[in-house]
Amino acid sequence: GENVEQHPSTLSVQEGDSAVIKCTYSDSASNYFPWYKQELGKGPQLIIDIRSNVGEKKDQRIAVTLNKTAKHFSLHITETQPEDSAVYFCAASIGQGGKLIFGQGTELSVKP
Amino acid sequence: NAGVMQNPRHLVRRRGQEARLRCSPMKGHSHVYWYRQLPEEGLKFMVYLQKENIIDESGMPKERFSAEFPKEGPSILRIQQVVRGDSAAYFCASSQSSFYEQYFGPGTRLTVT
Repeated sequence: GENVEQHPSTLSVQEGDSAVIKCTYSDSASNYFPWYKQELGKGPQLIIDIRSNVGEKKDQRIAVTLNKTAKHFSLHITETQPEDSAVYFCAASIGQGGKLIFGQGTELSVKP
Repeated sequence: NAGVMQNPRHLVRRRGQEARLRCSPMKGHSHVYWYRQLPEEGLKFMVYLQKENIIDESGMPKERFSAEFPKEGPSILRIQQVVRGDSAAYFCASSQSSFYEQYFGPGTRLTVT
């Protein structure tokens, strides 16, 4: 079945630096790739997503890139701030059916 | 513009009791998904429902777990005869359709003693 691998599991950066989190997926039929941010004790919050007909999408300090040939996608956060500290999850979905398959999560720590 | 609502936020049950978790989707959303998050792990899909229909229950344990989304009222995830291994955070998400974004609720943290 569909599997999503996410790396690294932990990431520590200095405030102002960039952070990159990478995911690979196994099912070539996957066509929707959201990223979620989860703070302690809260539900996952959708921060950005990309569909398979697009190679890159940007929203202020956050960008996502997709390489369908290699079956991997990445989250890029620029000018990191302490409030970016959280656990980030990537996910993949096959359009019809909608269930999300999640990666294992990356705990991002931004040090002031 | 209320988001996805879940209650209770925290639930403590003794082994063998029943747990009922409720989820009210965002306004205008008719698709509900349930996910389980075990401590220090990612989220695992359990079940996908539309009003009065179970669309995909491939992630649901075969025994003790059931889900419904009636025509009126919230979606319910029911766990019968809970065991310690059921202790987890249970999240529901809602969307306009299977092709749209999923928005998550705050979760119900179930503790089985």
